[in-house]
Amino acid sequence: QVLLVESGGGVVQAGGSLTLSCAASGFTFDSFTMHWVRQTPGKGLEWVALISYDGNNVLYADSVKGRFTISRHNSQNTVYLHLNSLRVDDTAMYYCAKIRSYYVYRDTFDIWGRGTMVTVSS
Amino acid sequence: EIVMMQSPATLYVSPGETAILSCRASQSISKNLAWYQQKPGQAPRLLIHGASTRASGTPVRFSGSGSGTEFTLTISSLESGDFALYSCQQYSEWPLTFGGGTKLDIK
Repeated sequence: QVLLVESGGGVVQAGGSLTLSCAASGFTFDSFTMHWVRQTPGKGLEWVALISYDGNNVLYADSVKGRFTISRHNSQNTVYLHLNSLRVDDTAMYYCAKIRSYYVYRDTFDIWGRGTMVTVSS
Repeated sequence: EIVMMQSPATLYVSPGETAILSCRASQSISKNLAWYQQKPGQAPRLLIHGASTRASGTPVRFSGSGSGTEFTLTISSLESGDFALYSCQQYSEWPLTFGGGTKLDIK
């Protein structure tokens, strides 16, 4: 069974930091680009970051560039999102998502985790 | 950035009837469009990719059409489990962007 399980969310003060984890199972983890997508009630779904299957390439949304860092450990089938300099508008449910096709960066997301909630207080 | 616009924001349809949801891109995305279904408390589920190709497990009642800037998701013979939030996503250019969603509600 293909599964993504996020963890690490919580309540943090503005300016603080948090690290989210996403544990993957049921597929060849090191063959797929992984993404983080967040969702707020008011703004809907927002793509946040990607990391290539081999970890050599990353890309960020402008809204998080310079503050968030994505990484992965293929030996542990885990992808991370390090959130720094958090702002109130970073409050959202953060989803880990698997790209649909092997070795590509840009595609649809066929597997999503259940999400982990990040709340940033002022 | 390509802006994705969905209409209507909320659509009221009776069970057994057909729902037609729209998604418009601010510039041409060819057929690089996906549709997702999301129920409360759950993650999005991929329904359609390539504008019209059903993902694995998507019932034939769901059909996607369109190319360029105008896209439609049609759901026929609506069942109780179909009432949910539907979002479109373009994967033609960076950054990947989503529409604001259409909530399909029971009439």
